Order: sequence, then structure tokens, then C-alpha cells
Amino acid sequence: GAGVSQSPSNKVTEKGKDVELRCDPISGHTALYWYRQSLGQGLEFLIYFQGNSAPDKSGLPSDRFSAERTGGSVSTLTIQRTQQEDSAVYLCASSLALREQYFGPGTRLTVT
Amino acid sequence: AQKVTQAQTEISVVEKEDVTLDCVYETRDTTYYLFWYKQPPSGELVFLIRRNSFDEQNEISGRYSWNFQKSTSSFNFTITASQVVDSAVYFCALSEGRRGADGLTFGKGTHLIIQP
Repeated sequence: GAGVSQSPSNKVTEKGKDVELRCDPISGHTALYWYRQSLGQGLEFLIYFQGNSAPDKSGLPSDRFSAERTGGSVSTLTIQRTQQEDSAVYLCASSLALREQYFGPGTRLTVT
Repeated sequence: AQKVTQAQTEISVVEKEDVTLDCVYETRDTTYYLFWYKQPPSGELVFLIRRNSFDEQNEISGRYSWNFQKSTSSFNFTITASQVVDSAVYFCALSEGRRGADGLTFGKGTHLIIQP
């Protein structure tokens, strides 16, 4: 079946601009996660959505980062006023409740 | 706070050799979950295994096996008769809490190179 999909696959933006990254989870998966992967910091958890519960935002690095999940399915990660240190691969994962997470191919964000 | 340590940054072996990837974790919870993921050169993380803290039985899946030891807080991964296709970065990860569905804490990864 279809896996987790993310768009765009690559995004280049200028410092100070806002960007939106999209994630389509596996159909039927109730949980959705965002991570980022960079050479310096490795894989870092950002935010977690489970059903209609309030999201776990404990991993968001600053208030420039936000995410929403509409209708319990598609999620958008927004980064405002991007900085060069935001350059990374942003990964989305989804899972059934209490099960393992399956990852998408990621969005490579480059801030120039 | 939870932490996962993969001390081996890079391992290089010749095809058909056995290789073990080490993972040591730290957590204050008595209920937690451990994972291994593979990231091949294509970049997509591939799920390999999930174990909970109450199940210390070793697991074998084909050429892959996992050794979970709570006494040493380790969850090591062994590939038997390695193949070139096993070349990838392997990540160990931890999730705390009874739900086992929280965000994962990853180790830094071990880059495994299998030479033909």
C-alpha cells in the first residue's frame, strides 16, 4: 500500500522567508510525527499528533516552528522567518496507535 | 532524560562476516520501547524492530538478530553473513512511557559498510 508521502522533496528558500512542508500519512494511521535530520544534530523529534488530542510540541526548537494536522490526516509544518540553521531534512512518520512509526522520504530544506 | 548512545560511528567489514552494532540507552521509566531503523543511501528510514521493556527475549529474523539486556541497558543488533545490501546507517531509538507512542529519541547512528 501507499506509504508516507511528503512534499516538496526539496525546498530552497532565502533567509527570513516562511516555508510550509506537507506530510500525507499512511491511510488509517492515527499518529503523526515530525522529525528533522541534520549533520550536526542527528535525528531530532519535533512534534507529535495523536488523534484529536492536543499535540506534543515538546521538541519544537523555537516559536518560529509550528504544525497543524487537519481532519486527522494531512499535516503541515511551518517554519517562519527561516534561518540558515533550519537547513535540514524534515521527516514525517505515522503509526497506528501504540505501534511502530513508518517514515516518509523527507523534505530537504536549504536556507540560503 | 532519555538518551541513546551508539558508540560506533562507522564499521567496515568484508561481505559474509558477522557484525554487531551496539546500542546503550538511558531512561528513568520502567516502561519503554526500543527500536532499530535502517537508513540506506536512498535516505528513507526503514523500520526493523520494536521491543518493549518487559520482553527480554532475543529475537531473530533471517540474518538479523537482536540482544536486549536490561542489566546493561543495551539493545545490540547483529547481522550474520553480511551482504553488500546491508550497507546503510543504522539507528537505535528509544520511546518512553506506557503508550510507547511518544516521539523517538535516536542515537547518532552507525554507518555500516559492507565491502564485496
